[in-house]
Amino acid sequence: EDKVVQSPLSLVVHEGDTVTLNCSYEVTNFRSLLWYKQEKKAPTFLFMLTSSGIEKKSGRLSSILDKKELFSILNITATQTGDSAVYLCAVEDNSYDKVIFGPGTSLSVIP
Amino acid sequence: KAGVTQTPRYLIKTRGQQVTLSCSPISGHRSVSWYQQTPGQGLQFLFEYFSETQRNKGNFPGRFSGRQFSNSRSEMNVSTLELGDSALYLCASSLGGMKTEAFFGQGTRLTVV
Repeated sequence: EDKVVQSPLSLVVHEGDTVTLNCSYEVTNFRSLLWYKQEKKAPTFLFMLTSSGIEKKSGRLSSILDKKELFSILNITATQTGDSAVYLCAVEDNSYDKVIFGPGTSLSVIP
Repeated sequence: KAGVTQTPRYLIKTRGQQVTLSCSPISGHRSVSWYQQTPGQGLQFLFEYFSETQRNKGNFPGRFSGRQFSNSRSEMNVSTLELGDSALYLCASSLGGMKTEAFFGQGTRLTVV
């Protein structure tokens, strides 16, 4: 059965810290891995990863995928209170053309 | 460019009733996907519609159904509501399915009492 596991499930850090969020997956036929940031309600898209070893960056956020070991990490450097959110990892299964979400990592950044 | 619009934002229903939720995607987007989000189960895929056709369906009972209109607006219907259906229902629109960047609406918070 397809599944996506995220760790840790929750995290509290101080402003300025660097955090690493983990996502591992098992899917029948992998197409892509997606990261979303969810504040309050609507998740917002962060990254789409399809190839191993190629880091994607957007400001203080970066992510990389390892298709051999079936995991991805999301790094946030110099965290700010505005980074507080739930970070969702999702994997698209090519066979069934659907997306499976992980439980999310709840990140709290305190001043 | 208007975002994804979901209505209503909040809803309270009693067990046994039915409910219809609406999602208007971003103009030009033809794919609409629906998700249920609960604290215990996280975000779970319900179904996806593309050009008025259901392309895929998650593991939900037949009480959950949907449709898409020619203008790409989509509705989701839940019949014979149960307490466990209380959740945030999110829809996401994209140009060609979830393999492209998807934009989520603010969701409809459904409470079943």
